[in-house]
Amino acid sequence: EVVMTQSPATLSVSPGDGATLSCRASQSLNSNLAWYQQRPGQAPRLLIYGTSTRATGIPARFSGSGSGTEFTLTISSLQSEDFAVYYCQQYNNWPRTFGLGTKVEIK
Amino acid sequence: QVQLVESGGGVVQPGKSLRLSCATSGFTFNLYAMHWVRQSPGKGLEWVTVISFNGNDKFYADSVKGRFTISRDNSKNTLFLHMNRLRAEDTAIYYCVRVGVEEEFGYWGQGTLVTVSS
Repeated sequence: EVVMTQSPATLSVSPGDGATLSCRASQSLNSNLAWYQQRPGQAPRLLIYGTSTRATGIPARFSGSGSGTEFTLTISSLQSEDFAVYYCQQYNNWPRTFGLGTKVEIK
Repeated sequence: QVQLVESGGGVVQPGKSLRLSCATSGFTFNLYAMHWVRQSPGKGLEWVTVISFNGNDKFYADSVKGRFTISRDNSKNTLFLHMNRLRAEDTAIYYCVRVGVEEEFGYWGQGTLVTVSS
């Protein structure tokens, strides 16, 4: 199966600053990579699909990039509601697999 | 808008069975593949199973293969997960998920908690 490795595990950021989250796949994904946000006590929410396309209603401060096996989620100017756990997920191969997540916490 | 509402979770003893349901609305159910994804307490996300739009194709994670069965009733816009021979490690919140524009997990239910404990 495709192993997804996210880094860092925890990112401490001040409100208003930017954040860069990384995701590496054990094999090429042909851009079939998504990012999800999960706030405490809530279900995950789709942010980005196809490596770089924002889902409906997602603010422009969220952007995705990458190719092959290396992917990045960038959040510019973090707002209070952005402090959460972020997961990357590949949908290029079966079984579908997720990374272990990056927790973005308030510095 | 798309709504997915899971039900059927609860506390069950190891080795027993449970059936989860996911009632859907706000979209044409019989046009979309549907998934179950679970999350153990305090842990990450694990894909469990998928069923094609017409129910003809199903895939399972190795961890549940042979014990769990996914099914759907397109006449009732409802997805099911039949879980047999439950183990402690199956304890998790189970989410019903609809694919999005591509095959990403576009829409999630609120989840239903399954606790396997004696």
